[in-house]
Amino acid sequence: AQKVTQAQTEISVVEKEDVTLDCVYETRDTTYYLFWYKQPPSGELVFLIRRNSFDEQNEISGRYSWNFQKSTSSFNFTITASQVVDSAVYFCALSEVRTNAGKSTFGDGTTLTVKP
Amino acid sequence: DAGVIQSPRHEVTEMGQEVTLRCKPISGHDYLFWYRQTMMRGLELLIYFNNNVPIDDSGMPEDRFSAKMPNASFSTLKIQPSEPRDSAVYFCASSLYSDHQPQHFGDGTRLSIL
Repeated sequence: AQKVTQAQTEISVVEKEDVTLDCVYETRDTTYYLFWYKQPPSGELVFLIRRNSFDEQNEISGRYSWNFQKSTSSFNFTITASQVVDSAVYFCALSEVRTNAGKSTFGDGTTLTVKP
Repeated sequence: DAGVIQSPRHEVTEMGQEVTLRCKPISGHDYLFWYRQTMMRGLELLIYFNNNVPIDDSGMPEDRFSAKMPNASFSTLKIQPSEPRDSAVYFCASSLYSDHQPQHFGDGTRLSIL
C-alpha cells in the first residue's frame, strides 16, 4: 500500500533562514511519481513540482530545491532564505503508476510559519 | 486557461438540509477527485472518477454522501441530510493521467452546517 509520511507537523523559522521539509514514502511499485503542493493561508492548493521514480536528479527552482533519494525513500523540500510569503501548509504526495492508478496519496502536510 | 471551477465558494445551511457542491474540471482531464479538508482529519480523498466512472468511493464517509459525474465537464457531491460534522472545505481536483500530470485543484467550497 502506498503511504506518505510528513513527520514534521509544524515548523517555525525566522525570515532568511533555510528550512527543509521532510517527506518519506512507501510503495511497492517500481514506477511512481512524487509531488509537492503548497496551500497558502488563502486556501487554494498549488502544484509545485513533480518527480518520477526514474529521475533522481535534484532540482532547483529559485529559492526552492528538492532532494529525491530512492535509497531512503525520501523526497525532501528545501526553501533557501525563507520569506514570509513562504508561510503555508506544504503537502507531499505519491502516485503509483501500476497500483491505484490515477490516485495520489497525500501526506498530512507540514505547516511552515516564517516570521519576519 | 480556465482552472477547476467549484461552486458555491461558501455554503451555510442548517443541519438536515440537502447540500450540493458542484465542480467543473479542466477540459480534457480524465480524472476527477473530491477531497474534504478539516483540521482534525487533514486532506481526505472521498471519491474519484476516471472518464466519468467512479473508481474508488471508499473514502465516502457514509451513505449520506453521494457523488455523480454525468459528463466529462461536470460533477456533483451531495450530502443528504447534512450534519454539523460535515462542516469542512471540500475540494475538487482534476488531472490528465496519460501524462501523469499533477492534480489541479479548485478553490474549494467552505461548508458550514449549523
